Amino acid sequence: AQSVAQPEDQVNVAEGNPLTVKCTYSVSGNPYLFWYVQYPNRGLQFLLKYITGDNLVKGSYGFEAEFNKSQTSFHLKKPSALVSDSALYFCAVRDIPSTDYKLSFGAGTTVTVRA
Amino acid sequence: DAGVIQSPRHEVTEMGQEVTLRCKPISGHNSLFWYRQTMMRGLELLIYFNNNVPIDDSGMPEDRFSAKMPNASFSTLKIQPSEPRDSAVYFCASSFSGSSSYEQYFGPGTRLTVT
Repeated sequence: AQSVAQPEDQVNVAEGNPLTVKCTYSVSGNPYLFWYVQYPNRGLQFLLKYITGDNLVKGSYGFEAEFNKSQTSFHLKKPSALVSDSALYFCAVRDIPSTDYKLSFGAGTTVTVRA
Repeated sequence: DAGVIQSPRHEVTEMGQEVTLRCKPISGHNSLFWYRQTMMRGLELLIYFNNNVPIDDSGMPEDRFSAKMPNASFSTLKIQPSEPRDSAVYFCASSFSGSSSYEQYFGPGTRLTVT
């Protein structure tokens, strides 16, 4: 079975400071990992993904995420947060050997960036 | 590309009425997913289709919910009869299962209010 956990319901940072949103996963094989962002009254938007290769992946809006197999983590990071980054962030996983097409999403982390 | 299209964007109805939500996936995508999002339960997968065939409907809450995908460019989610506890935002998402990564692209959602 595949699953993800986002241990923090909320993350609060000041504008200009680094932002980290945590995600850990559980799969039986190897994972495909994703981050999505949801702005108020909008659908989820795809930010970035890890499939294979370099453990550090870069995505939209200056976000990046680091895949750590030993810690089964895929934390989302941004070196300098903006007020406009305030949103709900979801981590998702798919187990590679699975013949299932669905992703498993975490519960989401609300990020608030204060000016 | 127009992205995933959902209609209506907002629906207000009275308890007991039938509600039909509509989705047009991204052209060329062959997997379609229906999700429900509430504050209490977060993001829940209701059902998904691959090549117009329902693959997993284990998330459908009860028999009042039904979904169809008559062709590759259209899907409906129907609630009959509707109840106040069905109030939520319903998202449709699509992906291409022939790719190696399976990222999903979400529509803007339908906000359903049942009074």
